[in-house]
Amino acid sequence: NAGVTQTPKFQVLKTGQSMTLQCAQDMNHEYMSWYRQDPGMGLRLIHYSVGAGITDQGEVPNGYNVSRSTTEDFPLRLLSAAPSQTSVYFCASSYVGADGYTFGSGTRLTVV
Amino acid sequence: QQQVKQSPQSLIVQKGGISIINCAYENTAFDYFPWYQQFPGKGPALLIAIRPDVSEKKEGRFTISFNKSAKQFSLHIMDSQPGDSATYFCAARGGNNRKLIWGLGTSLAVNP
Repeated sequence: NAGVTQTPKFQVLKTGQSMTLQCAQDMNHEYMSWYRQDPGMGLRLIHYSVGAGITDQGEVPNGYNVSRSTTEDFPLRLLSAAPSQTSVYFCASSYVGADGYTFGSGTRLTVV
Repeated sequence: QQQVKQSPQSLIVQKGGISIINCAYENTAFDYFPWYQQFPGKGPALLIAIRPDVSEKKEGRFTISFNKSAKQFSLHIMDSQPGDSATYFCAARGGNNRKLIWGLGTSLAVNP
């Protein structure tokens, strides 16, 4: 029972580089989301999806892209990394009718 | 505009003491109020949650108190233990909106 798996756990990027943060869940959850966590800022929603082929923006979507081609996977793409995107990123999922989210263990991203 | 205000930002409690974390919300459409617990290097995990039709919910040493008229809810940790040292987040959600509105978190340290 893997739950929500995020890879990589740590990543260092140079400004302007691109990368994809991976998120996979094996619970057949329809709802998936990406958050960033910064000191003193709590958890801020970047993008979310209520099912394959459906995505929408959260409160801080600029600089990030997502797609949802399968129920299991919800990758987050940084097209041109900036130092302001240095953060810890969490993926979370749930059933649409359920209350609680299941979070992954996070990806710590540093942009230099 | 922060819709869920959490206090205090940090809290130090002696082992065996009571930890109390407070949250206030503004949107009267909110109808689900969870608390999440996050240990260092891990993602948040659902701890306990309440709906506004009850004033209190208890699970083991953890209790949520809810005051609908004051638009406030709080987490009480009885007999606090060093293993309870973590960051705690309150959140709220309402209506058909699946998105949680998060407090900024409280860092709890329980001294042995």
